[in-house]
Amino acid sequence: QKEVEQNSGPLSVPEGAIASLNCTYSDRGSQSFFWYRQYSGKSPELIMSIYSNGDKEDGRFTAQLNKASQYVSLLIRDSQPSDSATYLCAVYTGGFKTIFGAGTRLFVKA
Amino acid sequence: EAQVTQNPRYLITVTGKKLTVTCSQNMNHEYMSWYRQDPGLGLRQIYYSMNVEVTDKGDVPEGYKVSRKEKRNFPLILESPSPNQTSLYFCASSLDEGGKTQYFGPGTRLLVL
Repeated sequence: QKEVEQNSGPLSVPEGAIASLNCTYSDRGSQSFFWYRQYSGKSPELIMSIYSNGDKEDGRFTAQLNKASQYVSLLIRDSQPSDSATYLCAVYTGGFKTIFGAGTRLFVKA
Repeated sequence: EAQVTQNPRYLITVTGKKLTVTCSQNMNHEYMSWYRQDPGLGLRQIYYSMNVEVTDKGDVPEGYKVSRKEKRNFPLILESPSPNQTSLYFCASSLDEGGKTQYFGPGTRLLVL
């Protein structure tokens, strides 16, 4: 059974701090990695995708991928209260299958 | 506006009464998928479709049917709903196979009594 694991949280950080979200996956053949943000009662929306080892930065967001350790992370710099949401890690394992983690709830305190 | 639409958004029904949740996308995407989301379990794939008339089971297909007669539409059918199908359902589409960004519909909250 292919799995994607995330700490369910909640993770609480003060406004302006760095929030660090982590994800591990079981399938070494996984090809693509995604972070989705989901506000309460809303649908998931993509915030980052990463396909190769290393870091990828987009504004306040940085995704990090380490395929050897089967580890994906998302850093949110200068966290804002509007970043408070559930963050879903998703892994494309091939064969038209994307596996989602259960999500980490993030609270940013003003 | 590029979007995925679902209807209805909320539905309360009784055990055994057949229902259909519609999904439509206007982005000419080939790949579409249905997920259910339950607390603590995340999004689990029910069925997916690679193109018109091509569908396959995801991880939790029991009790569900789908069809893809047109590229833009991908309805989810519950022939005989049961209480364990009470959940939040999302339809998603992407340009091609699942290695690309998926765009999600607004969700359908289903309660089966």
